[in-house]
Amino acid sequence: GAGVSQTPSNKVTEKGKYVELRCDPISGHTALYWYRQSLGQGPEFLIYFQGTGAADDSGLPNDRFFAVRPEGSVSTLKIQRTERGDSAVYLCASSLLPRTSGGEQFFGPGTRLTVL
Amino acid sequence: GENVEQHPSTLSVQEGDSAVIKCTYSDSASNYFPWYKQELGKGPQLIIDIRSNVGEKKDQRIAVTLNKTAKHFSLHITETQPEDSAVYFCAASISNYQLIWGAGTKLIIKP
Repeated sequence: GAGVSQTPSNKVTEKGKYVELRCDPISGHTALYWYRQSLGQGPEFLIYFQGTGAADDSGLPNDRFFAVRPEGSVSTLKIQRTERGDSAVYLCASSLLPRTSGGEQFFGPGTRLTVL
Repeated sequence: GENVEQHPSTLSVQEGDSAVIKCTYSDSASNYFPWYKQELGKGPQLIIDIRSNVGEKKDQRIAVTLNKTAKHFSLHITETQPEDSAVYFCAASISNYQLIWGAGTKLIIKP
């Protein structure tokens, strides 16, 4: 079966522009996570969805970042007024169950965002 | 705040030898410790995990040990092979679903 997919794989934009990053989780997975990974670092938690609702968005760095998951499947991470410091790989992961229930997180390949 | 320290940042071993990567964590409430392997251009993949009620877990050539008193956990890979070359991350839970990650170890297997 298909794994987690993310589009686009690469996105180059100019400072101040708006971008959307898409995540298609594994079918049936109720939990979805967004992470940001800077070069030479481990992933940094951004937001966690359980179903359609954002159960925890405490990792979003500021109000320029927003994510939605309207139908409980596909999710979109939206970044307004991009800054050079937003450049990173944005990873999405999904799990069948929340981790406390033993749900392994499956990661997508990521979207490499470059802000010029 | 909570953090996870991982060492070494780079590890080069001869094919067939063992590799050990070590992590320490700060949050005494952490109870779940996964290890991920990340290959170039791909997302991290879970290779093994351990929960705080267990001291050691093994899966073929991979083993993880946990010392909760010292807040240390380690990954051991025996009989290393070229396909083991990748970046390895340790992580520790800081909530029911949040993980805090180490900075990664680049493992190089020399033929």
